[in-house]
Amino acid sequence: RKEVEQDPGPFNVPEGATVAFNCTYSNSASQSFFWYRQDCRKEPKLLMSVYSSGNEDGRFTAQLNRASQYISLLIRDSKLSDSATYLCVVNRRGSTLGRLYFGRGTQLTVWP
Amino acid sequence: NAGVTQTPKFQVLKTGQSMTLQCAQDMNHEYMSWYRQDPGMGLRLIHYSVGAGITDQGEVPNGYNVSRSTTEDFPLRLLSAAPSQTSVYFCASSVLGTSGTGELFFGEGSRLTVL
Repeated sequence: RKEVEQDPGPFNVPEGATVAFNCTYSNSASQSFFWYRQDCRKEPKLLMSVYSSGNEDGRFTAQLNRASQYISLLIRDSKLSDSATYLCVVNRRGSTLGRLYFGRGTQLTVWP
Repeated sequence: NAGVTQTPKFQVLKTGQSMTLQCAQDMNHEYMSWYRQDPGMGLRLIHYSVGAGITDQGEVPNGYNVSRSTTEDFPLRLLSAAPSQTSVYFCASSVLGTSGTGELFFGEGSRLTVL
């Protein structure tokens, strides 16, 4: 079983829609969680870290459910510029420092 | 404001040739790493380093070598290129804390084709 699993999509939504992505991780000792964004043929960039209490950054809300071992990303009022692939990333407690585990990514297309 | 710089951006090799992908960062990050990204596979860790003189294998290290003689540079060597190594390669760096890496900063990627 992969360390991190994501629904690859694609998700196709109209502008203004709300869309949610989920990500599950297999190791309960996982410690740090992140969402990265990758535009087509570009490098990944950090979108936001995910904290135990949940956190929000403008239209983006990230939540962590340790009991069920999943992370979610909610995007409200989708913009055309949100079209990208969203990568779920997990750092496992006790793992060798530097070992981050990436999901395969969820592709989002926002249409006018 | 260079950040992480990778060269070359594009490369075509013949099977059996060797080459080095260069990676340099100017943020004084302890942690540096190489990933490859293939369609449907996501990012897979090849090798990483937590400081000068320290390297370790990631998920898919076979066919690749690395060294870290300075904090700034982390080259990736393909010893004898194979078509299975056709991929997009990303170098990434980060600060390193007690709980692991912080935000990863990626280079723009190197697109390698092996014929």
